[in-house]
Amino acid sequence: KQEVTQIPAALSVPEGENLVLNCSFTDSAIYNLQWFRQDPGKGLTSLLLIQSSQREQTSGRLNASLDKSSGRSTLYIAASQPGDSATYLCAVRPGGAGSYQLTFGKGTKLSVIP
Amino acid sequence: KAGVTQTPRYLIKTRGQQVTLSCSPISGHRSVSWYQQTPGQGLQFLFEYFSETQRNKGNFPGRFSGRQFSNSRSEMNVSTLELGDSALYLCASSLLEEQYFGPGTRLTVT
Repeated sequence: KQEVTQIPAALSVPEGENLVLNCSFTDSAIYNLQWFRQDPGKGLTSLLLIQSSQREQTSGRLNASLDKSSGRSTLYIAASQPGDSATYLCAVRPGGAGSYQLTFGKGTKLSVIP
Repeated sequence: KAGVTQTPRYLIKTRGQQVTLSCSPISGHRSVSWYQQTPGQGLQFLFEYFSETQRNKGNFPGRFSGRQFSNSRSEMNVSTLELGDSALYLCASSLLEEQYFGPGTRLTVT
């Protein structure tokens, strides 16, 4: 059974800092990995998706990497801003045909202090 | 293009009642998945539908059920509500690789 762990559970940084969020998964047979952002009481916003054959993806100040063999992914946020404050979730989709079922970590709650 | 919509956004029910939640996927998306989010358990997969067929089901009791219509809209139903069913229920739609989530329905059971 796939398990996804995110460390740390919470993180507080001053504005302008670069930071790294970690995600690990137990079964390396994944199809892809997706990073989401969730604001309090809201739905999930997709940030980056990495296919199992890819090593990294970038979007603006965000960079996500994937090391499938070691079961790890990181989300790098450059020059953090107060608007980045949210919970960040990583989710893996299993390998093989068909299913879109995602297994989520419990998230890292990020606070960026002005 | 409109995103995933969920109705209602908020619901308050009492124990023992039943509830139906609705999800309209992004136009053209044929896959709809449902998730339950609670502070203790995080996001847990409920079920997935593709072209009106349930393709996958999570580890939830039979009180949780769902269906998908020919226009890809999906509903989930929870019967005999329990206090522990209080949660944010999220649906997601997919076309190819990426999944897009709706704003969720906040269900409170009293």
